[in-house]
Amino acid sequence: AQRVTQPEKLLSVFKGAPVELKCNYSYSGSPELFWYVQYSRQRLQLLLRHISRESIKGFTADLNKGETSFHLKKPFAQEEDSAMYYCALSGRNKETSGSRLTFGEGTQLTVNP
Amino acid sequence: DTEVTQTPKHLVMGMTNKKSLKCEQHMGHRAMYWYKQKAKKPPELMFVYSYEKLSINESVPSRFSPECPNSSLLNLHLHALQPEDSALYLCASSQDLQGRNSPLHFGNGTRLTVT
Repeated sequence: AQRVTQPEKLLSVFKGAPVELKCNYSYSGSPELFWYVQYSRQRLQLLLRHISRESIKGFTADLNKGETSFHLKKPFAQEEDSAMYYCALSGRNKETSGSRLTFGEGTQLTVNP
Repeated sequence: DTEVTQTPKHLVMGMTNKKSLKCEQHMGHRAMYWYKQKAKKPPELMFVYSYEKLSINESVPSRFSPECPNSSLLNLHLHALQPEDSALYLCASSQDLQGRNSPLHFGNGTRLTVT
C-alpha cells in the first residue's frame, strides 16, 4: 500500500520568513514523489518532482529515503506563494503495470504581509 | 497546446438527468484520468485510461460511465446522480502510465452540482 501524510492542514508564515511544508510517505518500492500546487481559482499544477532535483519559484524538495520524507522548502516566502500544496506519490501498480498517484491531504499555506 | 481543456466549466443537473463531461488534450499523452475533488480535499482517482483502454476503475458507481473515443478525448457520462456526487471533476493526462517521471497535467475541472 502507498500512503502520503501531510501533518499540517494549515500553515501561516510572514513574508520573507522561511517555510517548510512536511510530507512523509509509506511505500515498499522505489517511489516517485511530486509536489502539486493549487492557487486560488487556478488548476492543480505540478510544482516539483524529485527526480528532476530542480528549484521552481524558489522551492526545493529533497527525497530522504531514510526518513521517508519529501519536505518542500523555501528560504523566503512571498505572498504569491499562498496556495494549497499537495504532496503526491506515484507507485507502480502490479495489476496494471502502470502507476497510481496518491495525494496527501494537502497543506494550505498562507503568507501574510 | 500544453493544456487539458474541460467542458463545461459549471454544470447543474437534477437526479434524473443525463449529462456528459468532456475533456480534451493535444499533447500526445496516452494516459488520461478522471478525478473527483471535494472542497479542501485532495483529488480522488476515479478512472484511468491507457492507450484508449480502461486501465483502472476505482470501484466507482455505475452512474458514472467513462468513455475514451480517441487518444485526445475523454468523456464522463453521468446518469441518476445523487446530491453527494456534487464536486469538482478533474480530468488529467500524462505521457504514459509506465514512464518514470510522467507527471499529470490537470484541466480546470467541471464544477458539478446535483440538485
